[in-house]
Amino acid sequence: QSALTQPASVSGSPGQSVTISCTGTSSDVGAYNYVSWYQQNSGKAPKLLVYHVSDRPSGVSNRFSGSKSGNTASLTISGLQAEDEADYYCLSYTSSGTLWVFGGGTKLTVL
Amino acid sequence: EVQLVESGGGLVQPGGSLRLSCAASGFSFKNYEMTWVRQAPGKGLEWLSYIGSSGNTIYYADSVKGRFTISRDNSKNSLYLHMNSLRAEDTAFYYCARKSILGDHFVDSWGQGTLVTVSS
Repeated sequence: QSALTQPASVSGSPGQSVTISCTGTSSDVGAYNYVSWYQQNSGKAPKLLVYHVSDRPSGVSNRFSGSKSGNTASLTISGLQAEDEADYYCLSYTSSGTLWVFGGGTKLTVL
Repeated sequence: EVQLVESGGGLVQPGGSLRLSCAASGFSFKNYEMTWVRQAPGKGLEWLSYIGSSGNTIYYADSVKGRFTISRDNSKNSLYLHMNSLRAEDTAFYYCARKSILGDHFVDSWGQGTLVTVSS
């Protein structure tokens, strides 16, 4: 099972919006709404941002939103803030025989 | 407060074995499905293994199938990962993680990780 495909890096200025894509196949992202997103700051454990494609846990800012079209899921961060600079990962259920698969990760730089 | 505390990491020679433990507290461990995730230094997250709440359902990533064994002891609120035939590429931080009880497929709580270094 190959990792889901994410851009290695994205960047944006404070106040702008950025979108991180997560491309899979018809066996994972495209087939199920079991896509979640995580934020990881350097040296820290990941933190859940979005689950079930577009749901946010309590306590997560509404600046973070998720969506999906076909085999690609996306995480949009609006009103960029310096504190958003981190690594972001998508995770999907897969019917390929394992269970879950992560994206390769995207480093967000706030300019 | 949910707490997941990993232990058992350290330096091991190639071909060696190690057992990681994860002590859970702050929730009803026996009711939750659990997973292990690792992250090589400077690299991305890699899902490794899943175990159902009773221990009867288990999955592995292809990269560790046949070498790693996940298990749990609900009487001790503990999750384990037995790692055999370790390779240099197994060097990573290993995270214990709790799968959401909502029936969805995502992690809602993470431990802080334990570092495993495979080197001679």
